[in-house]
Amino acid sequence: AQSVAQPEDQVNVAEGNPLTVKCTYSVSGNPYLFWYVQYPNRGLQFLLKYITGDNLVKGSYGFEAEFNKSQTSFHLKKPSALVSDSALYFCAVRDKAAGNKLTFGGGTRVLVKP
Amino acid sequence: GAVVSQHPSRVICKSGTSVKIECRSLDFQATTMFWYRQFPKQSLMLMATSNEGSKATYEQGVEKDKFLINHASLTLSTLTVTSAHPEDSSFYICSARGTKEEAFFGQGTRLTVV
Repeated sequence: AQSVAQPEDQVNVAEGNPLTVKCTYSVSGNPYLFWYVQYPNRGLQFLLKYITGDNLVKGSYGFEAEFNKSQTSFHLKKPSALVSDSALYFCAVRDKAAGNKLTFGGGTRVLVKP
Repeated sequence: GAVVSQHPSRVICKSGTSVKIECRSLDFQATTMFWYRQFPKQSLMLMATSNEGSKATYEQGVEKDKFLINHASLTLSTLTVTSAHPEDSSFYICSARGTKEEAFFGQGTRLTVV
């Protein structure tokens, strides 16, 4: 079975400060890891993914994430947050050997204050 | 690229009627499509997975006769909520995956059953 944990329901950060959204995962095999962002009453937008290769992955809108196998983590980061980054962020995992199913974390709401 | 269009974005229907939601991949062929349900301030709950030309695989607890899924082509999947009840009111989101590892999501459909 695969699972994802996002330990923080909400993260508050001042505009211009670094933003980190935490994610840990559990899979039996090798993971595919993803971050998505959701704005109110909208679907999810893909931000970035880790499949293989470099542990530091760069994605859309200045976001990046670091895959840490020993800590089974895939934290999302942005060096300087914008007010427009305020949204709901989801981490997701797919076990390479377990088919198509994506498992999502519970989501973390990010509030960036001006 | 990788655009998934879902409509309608909002629909209100009367109890006992059926409503159909469409999900189209506009610029890629979606070998697999997924249907999710999202409750307020919660994560996405996978309802079913469908592969083009074959029957959908439903998650445990999801009534296949109530939530009819058709994936007749590589660019279109539909979800029909039959004999809708107020408790079916929710936000429904589709996603599609082609050759890339990440899935792309539609804009979501807010269903209200009155």
